Amino acid sequence: GAVVSQHPSRVICKSGTSVKIECRSLDFQATTMFWYRQFPKQSLMLMATSNEGSKATYEQGVEKDKFLINHASLTLSTLTVTSAHPEDSSFYICSARPLAGSTDTQYFGPGTRLTVL
Amino acid sequence: AQSVAQPEDQVNVAEGNPLTVKCTYSVSGNPYLFWYVQYPNRGLQFLLKYITGDNLVKGSYGFEAEFNKSQTSFHLKKPSALVSDSALYFCAVRDGAGTALIFGKGTTLSVSS
Repeated sequence: GAVVSQHPSRVICKSGTSVKIECRSLDFQATTMFWYRQFPKQSLMLMATSNEGSKATYEQGVEKDKFLINHASLTLSTLTVTSAHPEDSSFYICSARPLAGSTDTQYFGPGTRLTVL
Repeated sequence: AQSVAQPEDQVNVAEGNPLTVKCTYSVSGNPYLFWYVQYPNRGLQFLLKYITGDNLVKGSYGFEAEFNKSQTSFHLKKPSALVSDSALYFCAVRDGAGTALIFGKGTTLSVSS
C-alpha cells in the first residue's frame, strides 16, 4: 500500500533555531501534500496545502514566513519552522495525495514531534 | 465553510458490546466523508470513506459507518468492540474531490475487558 514517511520522528531544538521536517511518499508520486499540526488531545489543524512546483497555500492564521513549505519534487515536501519558539511545540503530520488514482485518497505520515526549549 | 462535529470527547464500552462514535458534518456541496484512527504518537490510519453509493460503508477492522443525508451524520459503528480498538478516532470531511480534509476534534474510544 501507499506509504508516507516523515523525518525526523522526534526533534528537540533550542528557541530561535530552525527545524526542517521532511515528508516523503515512498511508493507513489504525490501531486499534492498537506501539512497539519496537532496539539495534545486536539484535532488536526490544516496548516497549508502544497502542490509540486508551486507555492504553498496557507490557511488563515498560519504565518507563511514562519512555516516555510517546499514541494520540490513529486515525492518530497519539507516544512521548515523558522526561529522556533516554545509555542511551536506540537505534533506535525503530513499527508500526500497520489498523482494517479482517485483524488479523494490521502495517505498520512507517522508525524513529527517537535519540542522547542 | 465545511465543518465536522464529534459531540463526544470519550466513548466507553465493554469488550464484546457494540460501539458507536458519532459524527455530524456541514458542507456546501456533496460531502466526501472519512473516518481515521490514531494510536498514541502515531499518524492517522484510514478506516473507511463515503463518496457515493450505498449509505452503509464497510471498512477496516470490522468497522462500518452509515451516511445519513437528512441528519447530516456519518456515525462510526462496530458490532462487537475489542480492547485493541481503544484509540482516538477522527471524522473528516471535504466538500469535493481535490480539497483538503477538515477534521473533527476526535473521540477517544476506550474498550474495557
